[in-house]
Amino acid sequence: DVHLVQSGVEVRKPGESLKISCKTSGYPFSSYWIGWVRQMPGKGLEWMGIIYPGDSNSKYSPSFQGQVTFSVDKSINTAYMEWGSLKASDTAMYYCARQMGGTGWENFDYWGQGTLVTV
Amino acid sequence: DIQLTQSPSFVSASVGDSVTINCRASQAISNWIAWYQQKPGKAPKLLIYATSSLQNGVPSRFRGGRSGTEFTLTISSLQPEDFATYYCQQANSLSHTFGPGTKVDIK
Repeated sequence: DVHLVQSGVEVRKPGESLKISCKTSGYPFSSYWIGWVRQMPGKGLEWMGIIYPGDSNSKYSPSFQGQVTFSVDKSINTAYMEWGSLKASDTAMYYCARQMGGTGWENFDYWGQGTLVTV
Repeated sequence: DIQLTQSPSFVSASVGDSVTINCRASQAISNWIAWYQQKPGKAPKLLIYATSSLQNGVPSRFRGGRSGTEFTLTISSLQPEDFATYYCQQANSLSHTFGPGTKVDIK
């Protein structure tokens, strides 16, 4: 079975850095793009971007380019998203999700449970 | 970026009703439109992908379709567990945008 398990709740101050994780299992990690989605309190879903674990190729939404950095650790089948300097407006739930194919042009079929970040 | 608009933004319906939600793209796209269901406090769940393909395990009362740049999600015979917010998403451009969502509430 495919599973994506995200790291727990985070509370940080403005200006601090943060790295959240998404540990995957049940499928070949390197072969499927992983995406990140933001949901601000009471709001809709926002696509932040995707990363291909096979070669760490990343595509960022223009809205999030330069604001976050995606990375992976293939040895532990885990994807990460990192902020260098948090802002209060980064307060949100963040989801990781797997794209259903290997081209980078598909929809998300499996989702993590979300990581709540409060700044 | 391709923008998606959804209509209606809110619909009130009863158990057993049929509901159709529309998703319009700002420009022509091919077929990677998905529909997700989200309940409060939960992660989104994929219902339909590639416009009309039913995700494994999703009941057949959920149906996806398309007419030109307008995509539809139809839920026939609403069940109590279907009251949720529904989002469309496109994966045809560099940014795979989501629609703003449609909340389906109990009348």
